[in-house]
Amino acid sequence: RKEVEQDPGPFNVPEGATVAFNCTYSNSASQSFFWYRQDCRKEPKLLMSVYSSGNEDGRFTAQLNRASQYISLLIRDSKLSDSATYLCGGSMNRDDKIIFGKGTRLHILP
Amino acid sequence: DADVTQTPRNRITKTGKRIMLECSQTKGHDRMYWYRQDPGLGLRLIYYSFDVKDINKGEISDGYSVSRQAQAKFSLSLESAIPNQTALYFCATSNSLGSMETQYFGPGTRLLVL
Repeated sequence: RKEVEQDPGPFNVPEGATVAFNCTYSNSASQSFFWYRQDCRKEPKLLMSVYSSGNEDGRFTAQLNRASQYISLLIRDSKLSDSATYLCGGSMNRDDKIIFGKGTRLHILP
Repeated sequence: DADVTQTPRNRITKTGKRIMLECSQTKGHDRMYWYRQDPGLGLRLIYYSFDVKDINKGEISDGYSVSRQAQAKFSLSLESAIPNQTALYFCATSNSLGSMETQYFGPGTRLLVL
């Protein structure tokens, strides 16, 4: 089983809708989690870190569920510009590498 | 100017050729990484370095080698390229200081091995 797994999608969502996707991780020792966004043919860029208490940045909310070993990303009032691939990643600690999932493709439809 | 740069951005080479991909950063970060990305396979770590002269194998290091002679530079070599090394290659950096470690990626190098 891969350490970090995501539904590859694509998620096709109408503009203005709310969309959520999860990322599961197998290593219970993982401590740090991240969501990255990758536009087509571009490099991944950090969208937000995921804290134990959850965090929110505008229309984006990230949460961590340690009991079930998954992190989630919620996008409210989706925009056409939100269309991208969203990669989740996790690492055990500051001195460890990040393991990335394969990404979830999101298409926002006009 | 970009903080993390990669050269070349695109490269076509033939099977058996030696090729080097370069990564430079001006972020002052101590940690650097090389990934490859293939459709449907996501980002896979090839090698990483936490400091000058420090080299660690990643998930798929076979067929690759790296060199970290200076903090700002991390080069990836394919000693004898083969077609299944055709991929998009990303370099990334991170800073070991701070409460959460995040990575900053270069723009990528598209490599085609014929």
